[in-house]
Formats: sequence, structure tokens, C-alpha cells
Amino acid sequence: DTGVSQNPRHKITKRGQNVTFRCDPISEHNRLYWYRQTLGQGPEFLTYFQNEAQLEKSRLLSDRFSAERPKGSFSTLEIQRTEQGDSAMYLCASSLGSTVNTETFFGQGTRLTVV
Amino acid sequence: GQNIDQPTEMTATEGAIVQINCTYQTSGFNGLFWYQQHAGEAPTFLSYNVLDGLEEKGRFSSFLSRSKGYSYLLLKELQMKDSASYLCAPEAGNTPLVFGKGTRLSVIA
Repeated sequence: DTGVSQNPRHKITKRGQNVTFRCDPISEHNRLYWYRQTLGQGPEFLTYFQNEAQLEKSRLLSDRFSAERPKGSFSTLEIQRTEQGDSAMYLCASSLGSTVNTETFFGQGTRLTVV
Repeated sequence: GQNIDQPTEMTATEGAIVQINCTYQTSGFNGLFWYQQHAGEAPTFLSYNVLDGLEEKGRFSSFLSRSKGYSYLLLKELQMKDSASYLCAPEAGNTPLVFGKGTRLSVIA
């Protein structure tokens, strides 16, 4: 158990619906990351936060995606008007981001299936 | 930007040794992580190399050549439980990790 908690673990939704995922990082970690992973691929970076500030967003993150980390602790990732191409594993990770050589710890992920 | 290349799949026999290569082109390179990911599970940390050379940790070793943009992960005395994907992730500055596509290793009896 790495200490990063995600829920739900699985989500099946109909195309066009909105979904929201939650991530609770390791408590002392100031950095929180969202990645997306599809079958046979490595994790693809989506966005990350340092404390409550969202510092970077990938071009993969369309305007249907929004992430928040309101108090610098847990984070949510919302996908609006889901499409079948959004089906993937959404991984959250956290680290102590003040220096390099900082191990990134991953949660178990939320598997999204859009039908 | 980053360009990371590793083989898609490898197969090896239980008890054998396997080497998984990774080449990268990374601006602002600091060091390189290797992660292991079993099917349906989270990636877990295996190693981090910042200096050239081989670092050994039990059955797993990792090598880095900064000048060549090259790393490998060496797994000895393979066990069935080593069947997993192995992800190469060069670290650039103090930025989020970017992963390669991963190498899916199958260990057969």
C-alpha cells in the first residue's frame, strides 16, 4: 500500500454523462499528479498541482477535463460529456516536489469505461 | 521535450537473466527512474540512477549512461511474479515524470 488512495476504483458511465474521481495523496506530499493510461501504454501525464496551485496541464487535457485541489490535500478530476475515447485508467500520484530525485507514488487508479 | 524508446514486449524463461533497454532524449536530464507495473495495478518504484554505471539491488540492477542517453534494467534469476510491464522514466528538471510506453515482460516456465 503506497498510501495514495483513489476512488472509485471502477466507473462505468454512459456517453455524455459527467464523472468525477477523487484522489487522496500521501499526507505530507505537496505535489499531486494525474495520469491517464490505456492498455499497452505507459502512463500519460495530464496535469499536476503543487499544493493548491495547478502548475501544468498537458495538451491531452481537453476543455472537458477539469482538476482541482482546493485545500492542497485531496484532488478531484472531472470529465464532462464523456466520450468513448475517455475510457482508460486514471492514475493519481504524489511526491515531495521540492527537489529532484523524488520518488513518485501511485494510487491504484480509477478505471473508467464509457459505454 | 522527451523521446523515450523501449521494446514493447519481451519473453524470458524462469531462472534466466533478462535486460530491458531504454533510450531517451531528454532536455534538462537529471536522472532516470524504472517502475514495475503488474497488470491492473499501480506502478511501483524499482530504481533511480543519476550517475553513470550500474546500481545493484538484489535481483534487479539498473544501468545508466548519461552521454549515450541509455539505460537498462537487468533482472536476474527470473521468477514468474516478475511478469509485468517495466516503465522507463527519465527525469527532467523538477517536472512531472514522463514515461515510456513500457516493456511487457512475460516469464515462462
